[in-house]
Amino acid sequence: QVQLQESGPGLVKPSETLSLTCTVSGGSLSSYSWSWIRQPPGKGLEWIGCIYHSGSTNSNPSLKSRVTISVDTSKSQFSLKLRSVTAADTAVYYCARVPTVDYYDSSGYYPLVVAGMDVWGQGTTVTVSS
Amino acid sequence: EIVMTQSPATLSVSPGERATLSCRASQSVSSNLAWYQQKPGQAPRLLIYGASTRAIGIPARFSGSGSGTEFTLTISSLQSEDFAAYYCQEYNNWPPEYTFGQGTKLEIK
Repeated sequence: QVQLQESGPGLVKPSETLSLTCTVSGGSLSSYSWSWIRQPPGKGLEWIGCIYHSGSTNSNPSLKSRVTISVDTSKSQFSLKLRSVTAADTAVYYCARVPTVDYYDSSGYYPLVVAGMDVWGQGTTVTVSS
Repeated sequence: EIVMTQSPATLSVSPGERATLSCRASQSVSSNLAWYQQKPGQAPRLLIYGASTRAIGIPARFSGSGSGTEFTLTISSLQSEDFAAYYCQEYNNWPPEYTFGQGTKLEIK
């Protein structure tokens, strides 16, 4: 049974970089794609970004310039870096598994999500404050 | 940009009754829609994907329908553990947005 566990600092200063790691246990990292999602206090869910099993990444256009997602298969981990944080980045951050299939056409490669985000970590709270 | 709109924001229903939650997309997402349940202090749980396919372990009282821009999550006979927040999410477009709706809170009447 696959389990995901987020880890990282619970407090980050404004203008600094938020760094989180998601450790995957009980399953293969390389067979799936992986996402980060966040939820500000009392609000809804916001997709942050995804690293596909091909190694390519994509992120929310509203965050794209500040987001880096990477994977370390040797440690069964994937990571999120969010630069230049402000108080608006205070949230519970979740990692999730994303089943995808590869689709190719004349325009290129597209990883297609086939079943939503089917396994989630428990979430970690990050507060941005000086 | 795709906008996902859920209605109502809050739904009050008695245990044993049927609950119907709606999700509307600002443009067609085909059947590339998922529903999640979230209880306070917990992570979201996948209920439905492909608009109508129940995820593993999800009881049959949960059903999803719709395609294109209009989607419905129905809970046929509410149990006490079903009172929670529910979110829809599209996963249709490229480049991806994977946009969530703002959620519907299902509360006990």
